[in-house]
Amino acid sequence: KAGVTQTPRYLIKTRGQQVTLSCSPISGHRSVSWYQQTPGQGLQFLFEYFSETQRNKGNFPGRFSGRQFSNSRSEMNVSTLELGDSALYLCASSLESRVLNTEAFFGQGTRLTVV
Amino acid sequence: AQSVTQPDIHITVSEGASLELRCNYSYGATPYLFWYVQSPGQGLQLLLKYFSGDTLVQGIKGFEAEFKRSQSSFNLRKPSVHWSDAAEYFCAVGARSNFGNEKLTFGTGTRLTIIP
Repeated sequence: KAGVTQTPRYLIKTRGQQVTLSCSPISGHRSVSWYQQTPGQGLQFLFEYFSETQRNKGNFPGRFSGRQFSNSRSEMNVSTLELGDSALYLCASSLESRVLNTEAFFGQGTRLTVV
Repeated sequence: AQSVTQPDIHITVSEGASLELRCNYSYGATPYLFWYVQSPGQGLQLLLKYFSGDTLVQGIKGFEAEFKRSQSSFNLRKPSVHWSDAAEYFCAVGARSNFGNEKLTFGTGTRLTIIP
C-alpha cells in the first residue's frame, strides 16, 4: 500500500510570492494534518482536515490556509511568503480524525526555501 | 495548554552502548504520549505510544519508554544502539479539546549520533 505522498519535495520561492503544497494520504485515510518543522522549534501544528472540513487549527497567521478534496487529497497554501516561512512542511494522514487512538503516518515532507 | 520539553538537543552514543532520551510533558489530565523517529530525508515514524495501563511501553526497533507521572516524564530507552538508530527523535503529547478535537504537540527533538 502506498504511503503518504507529498509534492514537490523541494521548492525555492521569493519573498512575497505564494506557494501551494500537495499531500496525497494513504488510500482510505480521511484525515490529513499539516505541520511546519524548523530547527529549534520542532514540529508545529498548522491544521487538520477531515472529510473536506477543517477540524482543528494551530496558531499560524491567515497567510497559511489549506483545503481538502473529496478524494482526501489536501493542499496547503502560503501567501505573501516571508523568509521565516522556510521550513520542512510535513503532512500526516490517519484513518479517522482521532490522532490519539489512530496512528498518523507522515510523508517525507516538502522543503520550502524562501529567498 | 499542553507542552513537551526535550532537554537534550544532541546526544552522541557509541554503537552498542545504552541510550536514554529524556522527555518531560505538561498536561492537566492523563496524557497520551508518543515517541517518533525521523531518519534523514524521511517523515516521522511512530516508535511507541502510551495512554493507559502498564507504564513501561515496548515499541518497534527494540525501543521502550517508561511513563512516570510523578516526574511528568516519558523517557525513551534502548539497551544497545545500532548505527542505523542515528536519527532525530521527537516526543509528543496528545490532547483532546473541549470540542472533541485532538492534536499532537511535539517537542523540539533530540538528534542522536552514533559513533563506531
